Amino acid sequence: AQKITQTQPGMFVQEKEAVTLDCTYDTSDPSYGLFWYKQPSSGEMIFLIYQGSYDQQNATEGRYSLNFQKARKSANLVISASQLGDSAMYFCAMREGLAAGNKLTFGGGTRVLVKP
Amino acid sequence: NAGVTQTPKFQVLKTGQSMTLQCAQDMNHEYMSWYRQDPGMGLRLIHYSVGAGITDQGEVPNGYNVSRSTTEDFPLRLLSAAPSQTSVYFCASSSSLAGPRDEQYFGPGTRLTVT
Repeated sequence: AQKITQTQPGMFVQEKEAVTLDCTYDTSDPSYGLFWYKQPSSGEMIFLIYQGSYDQQNATEGRYSLNFQKARKSANLVISASQLGDSAMYFCAMREGLAAGNKLTFGGGTRVLVKP
Repeated sequence: NAGVTQTPKFQVLKTGQSMTLQCAQDMNHEYMSWYRQDPGMGLRLIHYSVGAGITDQGEVPNGYNVSRSTTEDFPLRLLSAAPSQTSVYFCASSSSLAGPRDEQYFGPGTRLTVT
């Protein structure tokens, strides 16, 4: 079974509007972390935001916020006030267990294209 | 501070050839890992290491070997290249001091084609 599912292969968004990227996850571990990464066409992986399973509040980092619904096992990324530079692939990822480590499971990604 | 560096950037191999993808980091990170990204897909973990001398398998380890003799370096060896190993390979590192929010720092990737 897929541990991380991103059901939107691609989407368009108008510049200056907000966009929500869906991510659902599957784990039986009560301790986990959820990450979002951006991959522009140049190929590098850029960390955007992190949400821990025990965090009481939804994470925010500038124009990025995470809509964390633990009971539904979803961790949707919201990008506010989209900019042309937001056009990229976006990946949701999960690390199971609280101990810091480098084992991430990635979803298949969502391609976002921002229209002027 | 160079971060995570990978060499080469591009490589073409013939089926059956072997090679080593290099990865180095200068941030004194304990954790390092190798991922592969196939076209249109997310990253999949090949091997990872929690410190010098300690490595373990990830999701797709077959056909690859790793070793970690120093904190800085984590080379990935392809033993006998196959067309199915055509992919982009990313190396990543992170620090145990970061706690649960262990942001992984990724290298720029190596694009490998096996003919």
